Order: sequence, then C-alpha cells, then structure tokens
Amino acid sequence: GQQLNQSPQSMFIQEGEDVSMNCTSSSIFNTWLWYKQDPGEGPVLLIALYKAGELTSNGRLTAQFGITRKDSFLNISASIPSDVGIYFCAGIFAGGTSYGKLTFGQGTILTVHP
Amino acid sequence: ETGVTQSPTHLIKTRGQQVTLRCSSQSGHNTVSWYQQALGQGPQFIFQYYREEENGRGNFPPRFSGLQFPNYSSELNVNALELDDSALYLCASSLEGEQYFGPGTRLTVT
Repeated sequence: GQQLNQSPQSMFIQEGEDVSMNCTSSSIFNTWLWYKQDPGEGPVLLIALYKAGELTSNGRLTAQFGITRKDSFLNISASIPSDVGIYFCAGIFAGGTSYGKLTFGQGTILTVHP
Repeated sequence: ETGVTQSPTHLIKTRGQQVTLRCSSQSGHNTVSWYQQALGQGPQFIFQYYREEENGRGNFPPRFSGLQFPNYSSELNVNALELDDSALYLCASSLEGEQYFGPGTRLTVT
C-alpha cells in the first residue's frame, strides 16, 4: 500500500528559529495536506496543496507540493512556543479508488525552547 | 458554523464487548471518514461514508462497521473488542478534498 515517510521524527529548537520538515512517497499523490495535532485532540488542518509545484503560505507556515507529486515540505518561520505539537503530512493517493482516503506520515514532534 | 463533534470523549470497555462512537459532521459536509490512531502513530483510515453509502474501506476487519444518517452524522461500531482496539478514534468531515477532524474519542479496552 501507499506509505509516507516523514522526517525528521522529532526536532528540538530555540524560539525564533526556522523549522523544516518533509514527506516522501514511492507513489504519486493528488493532494497533500499538513496537520498539527496537540495532545489528546484531533488534527487541525494547516495547509492544503492540490497542484504539483504549488507553494502555499498560511502566516508563518509555507508548504510546497513537489513537482514529482511524490513529496511535500512544510516550513515554519520564526518559531514560537505555541508551535509545539505533532505535525503530520497526509496525502490522497492518485491511483485506484480515489475516494479521498488520507494516508498519513508518522509525524514530526516539535519542541520549542523559549 | 459548527465544527466536527464526537461523542463520547472517553470510553472504557472490556474485551469482547461492543461499542458505538458518534460523529456530527461540519455543516454542509456530506462525507465522513473514520480513522484509528494508536499512541505515537499517525491516523489509519478505517472507512468513508458519502451520502449514506460506504465509499471506501481500509485494512480493518468486518467487526468494524459504520452508518451515515440523512443529516450526514455518522456512527462507528466495533464488535468483539480486542485489547489492540485501544486507540483514539477520529472522524473527519469533508465536502471536497480537505478533511476536518473532530476532537476524537479515546477508547480503552481492558
């Protein structure tokens, strides 16, 4: 089945630093989504990407849909303590029954030191 | 506009019992998907409902079943609970593409 490899698994950074994380797949995806999840809560949608090469920003967050359609990255600029959480990439596979099943990466745990 | 809601928040069941989890989709969304999230992992797709019909299923056994109602709310039923069913169960509603998640139901099977 389709799998997403997300890296890094965890990051420990100082407040104010920039952060970058990425996801890669052996399969082509139609859609890439980035979510943030706080402990005990559901994932919150940060950014959605629909076209290869697309670069989208949401405040201090920027994400790109790779031109091969097999990867995506998320950047967070000037991190703040409330950025702490688990970040997940998720994709909708381009082949087969494309009914909108999300395949998730393993998550990146972000810790921000004040 | 009301977001996705789920009930109950927490649940403790015994192995072999049955459980029903509920989800109310975001206003205007006609598609509901259910996911299982084990501790320390990403969510895993269980199944999706579109206009009251199952519209795709992940790698979960038949004892995981669901329903969607005319108002697009949904239920997830799990029969013959096993210890490994302990997880956070998430539902997500969508209209096209973007899926919005509820807060989840934490199920513990003892």
